[in-house]
Amino acid sequence: QQQVKQSPQSLIVQKGGISIINCAYENTAFDYFPWYQQFPGKGPALLIAIRPDVSEKKEGRFTISFNKSAKQFSLHIMDSQPGDSATYFCAASKGGNTGKLIFGQGTTLQVKP
Amino acid sequence: KAGVTQTPRYLIKTRGQQVTLSCSPISGHRSVSWYQQTPGQGLQFLFEYFSETQRNKGNFPGRFSGRQFSNSRSEMNVSTLELGDSALYLCASSLGTSTEAFFGQGTRLTVV
Repeated sequence: QQQVKQSPQSLIVQKGGISIINCAYENTAFDYFPWYQQFPGKGPALLIAIRPDVSEKKEGRFTISFNKSAKQFSLHIMDSQPGDSATYFCAASKGGNTGKLIFGQGTTLQVKP
Repeated sequence: KAGVTQTPRYLIKTRGQQVTLSCSPISGHRSVSWYQQTPGQGLQFLFEYFSETQRNKGNFPGRFSGRQFSNSRSEMNVSTLELGDSALYLCASSLGTSTEAFFGQGTRLTVV
């Protein structure tokens, strides 16, 4: 049972464009939604995270939009740069427990110069 | 401040053998979690330890086990290795329940 579904699987964006990655979850007990960025040969690194009491959170060029009624959340990367080319994972956990994260399948982003 | 350290970085083992992977969390972190990453299944949760106690366990067979020591360092063990156990094993640590989880670079295990 895939509890967090992520799309698209891959994404190609021109430099300066907006990258949008979407995730949907099933378990309404989830209350922590982070996004991780992973470069080849590295472990995932936390980009930004949101809890359901807010609908949007922005940190620099990265924004999470959260729709509790639709059980969906998305990552927007503004002014995408070639250095943003990586694999992005959404995740979810319940009870605020960051020690047990349920991950989406990942999105490979390529930003073309 | 040192990050999460996983050793070894690479391992090649033969089917049927067992393997032990090590994870040293960030100083002061008491929660350590383990994940398996494969191209087909993505990132899957194995187990979580907090103050030497297993707090959560994922849906993996009993061949996968772990433990945490009093200094918060953790080890995971896989017995009777199968080809399908080939994966990147990632460790993450956090201060406690609701704080950010930091990942190590992982141990790449290849079973031949």
